[in-house]
Amino acid sequence: QKEVEQNSGPLSVPEGAIASLNCTYSDRGSQSFFWYRQYSGKSPELIMFIYSNGDKEDGRFTAQLNKASQYVSLLIRDSQPSDSATYLCAVGSGTYKYIFGTGTRLKVLA
Amino acid sequence: EAQVTQNPRYLITVTGKKLTVTCSQNMNHEYMSWYRQDPGLGLRQIYYSMNVEVTDKGDVPEGYKVSRKEKRNFPLILESPSPNQTSLYFCASSLGSRSGETQYFGPGTRLLVL
Repeated sequence: QKEVEQNSGPLSVPEGAIASLNCTYSDRGSQSFFWYRQYSGKSPELIMFIYSNGDKEDGRFTAQLNKASQYVSLLIRDSQPSDSATYLCAVGSGTYKYIFGTGTRLKVLA
Repeated sequence: EAQVTQNPRYLITVTGKKLTVTCSQNMNHEYMSWYRQDPGLGLRQIYYSMNVEVTDKGDVPEGYKVSRKEKRNFPLILESPSPNQTSLYFCASSLGSRSGETQYFGPGTRLLVL
């Protein structure tokens, strides 16, 4: 069974700090990696995607991928209370399927 | 406005009464998918479709049916709903059919089966 694992949290960080969210996956054949943000009662919305090893930056967000360690992370710099949400890690296996983690709940304290 | 729509948004039904949840996208996307979201279990893929008339099972297809007769529509059918199908359902679509494409999600349908 292919799996994507995340710590459920909550991860609490003070406003202005860096939030670090982590995700591990079991399928070495995975090719694409996504981070979605989901506010309570709302649908997931894409934050970042990454396909290659290394870092990818977009504004306050940085996705990091290490395929050898089967590990992907999301860093949120200068965290704001509006960043408080559940962050879902998703992995695409290349066979039209997506596997989602259960999500990490982030709380940014004002 | 580019969007994925689902109807109904909320539904209460009884065990065994057939129901259909509709999903429609206006972005000419090839790929569409259905997920259910349950506390502690995350988003789990039910069925997906790579194009018109092409569908396949996800991880939790039991008790569900789908069809893709038109590119824009991908209805989810519960022939005989049971209480364990009480869940929050999301439809999603993406431009291409490879799993590297970004998915766009509908607003969700909250289903309660009594």
